[in-house]
Amino acid sequence: AQSVTQLGSHVSVSEGALVLLRCNYSSSVPPYLFWYVQYPNQGLQLLLKYTSAATLVKGINGFEAEFKKSETSFHLTKPSAHMSDAAEYFCAVSDRGGGYNKLIFGAGTRLAVHP
Amino acid sequence: NAGVTQTPKFQVLKTGQSMTLQCAQDMNHNSMYWYRQDPGMGLRLIYYSASEGTTDKGEVPNGYNVSRLNKREFSLRLESAAPSQTSVYFCASGLGETQYFGPGTRLLVL
Repeated sequence: AQSVTQLGSHVSVSEGALVLLRCNYSSSVPPYLFWYVQYPNQGLQLLLKYTSAATLVKGINGFEAEFKKSETSFHLTKPSAHMSDAAEYFCAVSDRGGGYNKLIFGAGTRLAVHP
Repeated sequence: NAGVTQTPKFQVLKTGQSMTLQCAQDMNHNSMYWYRQDPGMGLRLIYYSASEGTTDKGEVPNGYNVSRLNKREFSLRLESAAPSQTSVYFCASGLGETQYFGPGTRLLVL
């Protein structure tokens, strides 16, 4: 069975500092991996996804993530945090279904950015 | 192009009452999904519909039913609400591996 572990339910950084949100996955087959962001009282928005092309994936708002098969990790990074990055971030894994996919989400990491 | 829409945005029910959460998408996606979000647990899949006319159980289907009314609409029904069903419910539609989420319905069961 697939699973996702996000290390750290809360992360706090200073504005301008590096953002690193950790995600480890478990999957018996080559996975699809995703990062979603949720702003307060809103739905989830796709940040980026890995689908077995380049291992370094660039997303929206300056975020990127690197797929490391040997470490079963897909950590999310941003070189310089902005106040607007404060939100909850979810890592998800899915199997490669035929035309649809069932996402398994991690518990989420709430990012706080302080001046 | 509204994307994925959900109604209502917020609902309060008493234990034992029933209600239907509505979801519609205008992106011509084949697959649709219902999730619930609870603090510290991320999102969990309740039911999904791979295509019009098909529905399947997800991780937490007990206490829920669904109807894929047509390609656009996928409803979630609570026949007899329980306090354990207090949650935020998200509908999503999918194209291939990517899912697009609605704004959510916040449900409180007293």
